[in-house]
Amino acid sequence: AQSVTQLDSQVPVFEEAPVELRCNYSSSVSVYLFWYVQYPNQGLQLLLKYLSGSTLVKGINGFEAEFNKSQTSFHLRKPSVHISDTAEYFCAVTPGDSSASKIIFGSGTRLSIRP
Amino acid sequence: DAGVIQSPRHEVTEMGQEVTLRCKPISGHNSLFWYRQTMMRGLELLIYFNNNVPIDDSGMPEDRFSAKMPNASFSTLKIQPSEPRDSAVYFCASTHLTGNTEAFFGQGTRLTVV
Repeated sequence: AQSVTQLDSQVPVFEEAPVELRCNYSSSVSVYLFWYVQYPNQGLQLLLKYLSGSTLVKGINGFEAEFNKSQTSFHLRKPSVHISDTAEYFCAVTPGDSSASKIIFGSGTRLSIRP
Repeated sequence: DAGVIQSPRHEVTEMGQEVTLRCKPISGHNSLFWYRQTMMRGLELLIYFNNNVPIDDSGMPEDRFSAKMPNASFSTLKIQPSEPRDSAVYFCASTHLTGNTEAFFGQGTRLTVV
């Protein structure tokens, strides 16, 4: 079985400051990893995903994440945040085989940007 | 494609009434998920289907909840009877079975049981 832990429920940062949202996972099999963003009153949408290959993955809106297999982490980063990045961010994992498609989400991290 | 379509967007009902939430997945997707989101419990997976077959319903909170997927283009989540603690936003999402593509979410149904 897989599980996802997002270590911070809320992260306040100032505009134009860098930010890192932490995500750790556990799994006995290989996994695919995702970051989703949820803006107020909307559904979740994909920011980026790691399937294989380069461990540094770039997504939309200037976000990137790095897969670290030894630390079982997939932290999300942005070098300079904007007010429009205010949202809730979810890390997710799914088994890396074709026999199952269950998506497990973390508890979410609420990112608030201060002007 | 119009994306995952959920209806209604908002539902207010009285305790004890039956509530039916509807979802139309993206054409060609063969996995469908129902999630519930609350402030207290976050995003919870209720049930998911592969090729219209329920695979895991361990997240369904009680027998009052039931879900069906009669065909590849339609699914329902029913609560009967509804209770105030069922108030939440319910999301439907669809994806391909292979798992290496992202899930696409609908806009959600905000359910309020009074």
